[in-house]
Amino acid sequence: KAGVTQTPRYLIKTRGQQVTLSCSPISGHRSVSWYQQTPGQGLQFLFEYFSETQRNKGNFPGRFSGRQFSNSRSEMNVSTLELGDSALYLCASSLGQGNTIYFGEGSWLTVV
Amino acid sequence: ELKVEQNPLFLSMQEGKNYTIYCNYSTTSDRLYWYRQDPGKSLESLFVLLSNGAVKQEGRLMASLDTKARLSTLHITAAVHDLSATYFCAVDTLFIIQGAQKLVFGQGTRLTINP
Repeated sequence: KAGVTQTPRYLIKTRGQQVTLSCSPISGHRSVSWYQQTPGQGLQFLFEYFSETQRNKGNFPGRFSGRQFSNSRSEMNVSTLELGDSALYLCASSLGQGNTIYFGEGSWLTVV
Repeated sequence: ELKVEQNPLFLSMQEGKNYTIYCNYSTTSDRLYWYRQDPGKSLESLFVLLSNGAVKQEGRLMASLDTKARLSTLHITAAVHDLSATYFCAVDTLFIIQGAQKLVFGQGTRLTINP
């Protein structure tokens, strides 16, 4: 059974650019959530989607957005990148309703 | 606001010794996760604790949950070098905020096991 797949794995962007990260959840999982990990702030929740609806959003500026498609795949977008957006972005999926949450390998974003 | 605190944040120990990592959280919840993270890697699920008094064991690791004390522990028995990693506990807020599945993580405990 394939795990949570994230693309791209590594990317370098320039300040002011935008980036889109993609996540394919485990087959059958309808809940997809995103987390940001930085050395200073640790692991922080970005947002969660379930059946194409955003159910919850963390305390991030509006530059961070996401969506979920009908096949449960999800994308997150960060516009007008700042140096502080450099981080590991983790996607996680679950069956929803409080089931185990599995994480993908992450996308390493460096903003220069 | 839910807060999750781990201690210690750094732990250096000798192989063969036992030790415990503590995870305290501020709001009632009955679903707690433990994850392991190796440098440059993602999070590997270790345990899911679903109710008060739950105890799970895998190899040299054992996790427990006391929902009344809002405390979970991760106990390491006879540590070996391969267990060196950062360990995170996380509380699932689903049962705190209805319909919103979200993990709130502790700061992580960086564990180094020396030969």
